Amino acid sequence: GESVGLHLPTLSVQEGDNSIINCAYSNSASDYFIWYKQESGKGPQFIIDIRSNMDKRQGQRVTVLLNKTVKHLSLQIAATQPGDSAVYFCAENRPSGGGADGLTFGKGTHLIIQP
Amino acid sequence: DTGVSQDPRHKITKRGQNVTFRCDPISEHNRLYWYRQTLGQGPEFLTYFQNEAQLEKSRLLSDRFSAERPKGSFSTLEIQRTEQGDSAMYLCASSSQGPTTEAFFGQGTRLTVV
Repeated sequence: GESVGLHLPTLSVQEGDNSIINCAYSNSASDYFIWYKQESGKGPQFIIDIRSNMDKRQGQRVTVLLNKTVKHLSLQIAATQPGDSAVYFCAENRPSGGGADGLTFGKGTHLIIQP
Repeated sequence: DTGVSQDPRHKITKRGQNVTFRCDPISEHNRLYWYRQTLGQGPEFLTYFQNEAQLEKSRLLSDRFSAERPKGSFSTLEIQRTEQGDSAMYLCASSSQGPTTEAFFGQGTRLTVV
């Protein structure tokens, strides 16, 4: 079935390096995407979002890229810090013609920051 | 604190018992969502309210699951006759009007059925 998925379950980077977390989605009708960060025992925390009429959006130390042609989403984190260690989820909103299905989440990538 | 609040944070119950969780959304948000998250997985959408109206409930996992939002403010999620497979984190989120606005999540309620 259609789903949002991630290429790598675990990503280990050195502190200070940049990290890139990838996400593939399969529903071409999805019009809104969000990246969430989830630390152990906590709820998902919003990082950044992007609408389907954009291909890039930047926040503080984070950039999201959207490639609708290949249905690919990425999250770039610059100059990673120990506090960036967490599981990162991409989520998509699928239009449902008047209702709302909620967000569809991928499995997540565990980002580990090495000292 | 003006974030999404969930209560309790942890619940241990015996199989067959009923449990109820509460969610208080961000006050100006009229949309409220319930999700379930199992270990190693992303959150899975269960149901959604706009104000007091439950607009989507077909994704509730079984007829043992029900949710209410009687006054369009806080919401409750009830699981009747709990089973061990119900053990999971139950997350609540809220957002303002519009499907493409960010949803803010609470810290979740961790349910353990023994």
